[in-house]
Amino acid sequence: NAGVTQTPKFQVLKTGQSMTLQCAQDMNHEYMSWYRQDPGMGLRLIHYSVGAGITDQGEVPNGYNVSRSTTEDFPLRLLSAAPSQTSVYFCASSSTGGSYEAFFGQGTRLTVV
Amino acid sequence: AQSVTQLGSHVSVSEGALVLLRCNYSSSVPPYLFWYVQYPNQGLQLLLKYTTGATLVKGINGFEAEFKKSETSFHLTKPSAHMSDAAEYFCAVSDRGNTDKLIFGTGTRLQVFP
Repeated sequence: NAGVTQTPKFQVLKTGQSMTLQCAQDMNHEYMSWYRQDPGMGLRLIHYSVGAGITDQGEVPNGYNVSRSTTEDFPLRLLSAAPSQTSVYFCASSSTGGSYEAFFGQGTRLTVV
Repeated sequence: AQSVTQLGSHVSVSEGALVLLRCNYSSSVPPYLFWYVQYPNQGLQLLLKYTTGATLVKGINGFEAEFKKSETSFHLTKPSAHMSDAAEYFCAVSDRGNTDKLIFGTGTRLQVFP
């Protein structure tokens, strides 16, 4: 019963490096989202997707790219890492089927030095 | 635009005492409302939700919340705190049916003392 799986769990990047945070879900959910969590700010939406091939920007999209080629996967790409992107990143998925519950991964703790 | 306000970034209670975590929302139409809990170094887990119907909703671990439209509130309560309730709690709101986009409050860290 995997649910939402995020990799890696921890990552340290140097300023200017790029990387991809992986997110996969095995619940056949249509909706997937990326959030970042910062102390005192709760979770803020970065990008979201309502289905394969469809993505849109959330509240804090700058510096991040996403794509959704399959229902299962929703990777988040950091194009040129900056210290301001040091955060904990969470991927979530949910269904249009009426449960209205978002399922979250365990998070990726990213530090940019 | 929707928003969520959680009053009190930290709440401390004694074991066995009442837990009350406050949440107020701003929305032009009645939203869906959620409480999530986050234990240390873990993801978020749904405690309870209000979508339609009964305004008093019961969740896991003995928590409940009441949707009060007139007060735009969705406060979380538990009659008797347990040490295992120590965690961070987030109130969230979404447009009706659009759970791809959740708007979160800033969170309340609950400490439980013996």
